[in-house]
Amino acid sequence: GIQVEQSPPDLILQEGANSTLRCNFSDSVNNLQWFHQNPWGQLINLFYIPSGTKQNGRLSATTVATERYSLLYISSSQTTDSGVYFCAVGEGGGNKLTFGTGTQLKVEL
Amino acid sequence: GAVVSQHPSRVICKSGTSVKIECRSLDFQATTMFWYRQFPKQSLMLMATSNEGSKATYEQGVEKDKFLINHASLTLSTLTVTSAHPEDSSFYICSARVPTSGRDEQYFGPGTRLTVT
Repeated sequence: GIQVEQSPPDLILQEGANSTLRCNFSDSVNNLQWFHQNPWGQLINLFYIPSGTKQNGRLSATTVATERYSLLYISSSQTTDSGVYFCAVGEGGGNKLTFGTGTQLKVEL
Repeated sequence: GAVVSQHPSRVICKSGTSVKIECRSLDFQATTMFWYRQFPKQSLMLMATSNEGSKATYEQGVEKDKFLINHASLTLSTLTVTSAHPEDSSFYICSARVPTSGRDEQYFGPGTRLTVT
């Protein structure tokens, strides 16, 4: 099956700093989503981005499908950004998602 | 829009008993729902795909007789963990595919934390 690797696995930032999270996948995909899992376990949809670039406030994402990677940018980080960030990809017509390994982000004051 | 709920949020049961977890799409109809399991400090692993009105499709290595899935309506899927054992203790999360043209976006429930004693 498809492999999805995220980097870095852990990241500590000072409040106000910027960061880039990376998601590499091993095969062609027709679906890619970014999620933030908060400390209570809820996954929050950030982006549906199988290709191209999107922005939503302090967050933006870019997927280069031909090179099999996606990037999530967090600017002016806040303590509420802490948690785990997952990318998840789908291939074929089955609608299934394969989750990446995750990036644990901690934003400190 | 696209709200998914789960009940219960946490449950503690004794070894050998069965537990039912409900997943509901609150503001849309979901022909397809998914069940995931997440162990501490790990990623989400897909257990099965639940299709309304038909049998669920289980991922390799998931025991279908142990994890019973029923998707009886367009807004409800249930996961029953039968004869639960301590190794079944985990965080179970459901998702639903939002049927928007051209998109396969999934929205997730808040999860159910199962502890088997």
